[in-house]
Amino acid sequence: KAGVTQTPRYLIKTRGQQVTLSCSPISGHRSVSWYQQTPGQGLQFLFEYFSETQRNKGNFPGRFSGRQFSNSRSEMNVSTLELGDSALYLCASSHIPGGEANTEAFFGQGTRLTVV
Amino acid sequence: DQQVKQNSPSLSVQEGRISILNCDYTNSMFDYFLWYKKYPAEGPTFLISISSIKDKNEDGRFTVFLNKSAKHLSLHIVPSQPGDSAVYFCAAVVYSGGGADGLTFGKGTHLIIQP
Repeated sequence: KAGVTQTPRYLIKTRGQQVTLSCSPISGHRSVSWYQQTPGQGLQFLFEYFSETQRNKGNFPGRFSGRQFSNSRSEMNVSTLELGDSALYLCASSHIPGGEANTEAFFGQGTRLTVV
Repeated sequence: DQQVKQNSPSLSVQEGRISILNCDYTNSMFDYFLWYKKYPAEGPTFLISISSIKDKNEDGRFTVFLNKSAKHLSLHIVPSQPGDSAVYFCAAVVYSGGGADGLTFGKGTHLIIQP
């Protein structure tokens, strides 16, 4: 079956703009998590959605938000972009939150966001 | 406060030898640990995991050891192969209430297998 699909793969934005990233999970997976990867901080958890509800949220400012649709596709939005938001944003999908099935999450290839 | 630490940013090992990647954690609530492997321009892929009730899990060339008292885990790759060259992330998770929180990752160790 198809893997996790993230679009776009690459994006360049200017400071102050906003951006929306998209993630289509593996068919049948209802949990979608978002992570930010930077060289200095590694992989950091942003938030997790399950059945259109945000279940968990990492330690990021309110400029970072997300949502999940009824087909489990998810979007994340970053408003008022800052230079420090430049990173690889990864989406991971899993069958259910909780239980060992969730911990073995499948990742997409990521969206490389560059803020200039 | 970094709850999962991989103190070696890079590790170089000769092909055929054992690669040992280390990971330390501070949160005693973590009850499940995972290793992910990441190639450039790709998302991390799941490699192997271990529950906190075990101290060893083996899958082919990969073995993960967990020392709960020391809050330390390690990934052993034997024998190391050129295709193992990648960045390895250690991750941990706490099960809470009705389900797991997000994964907490270390910063990764770049493993380089030399011919």
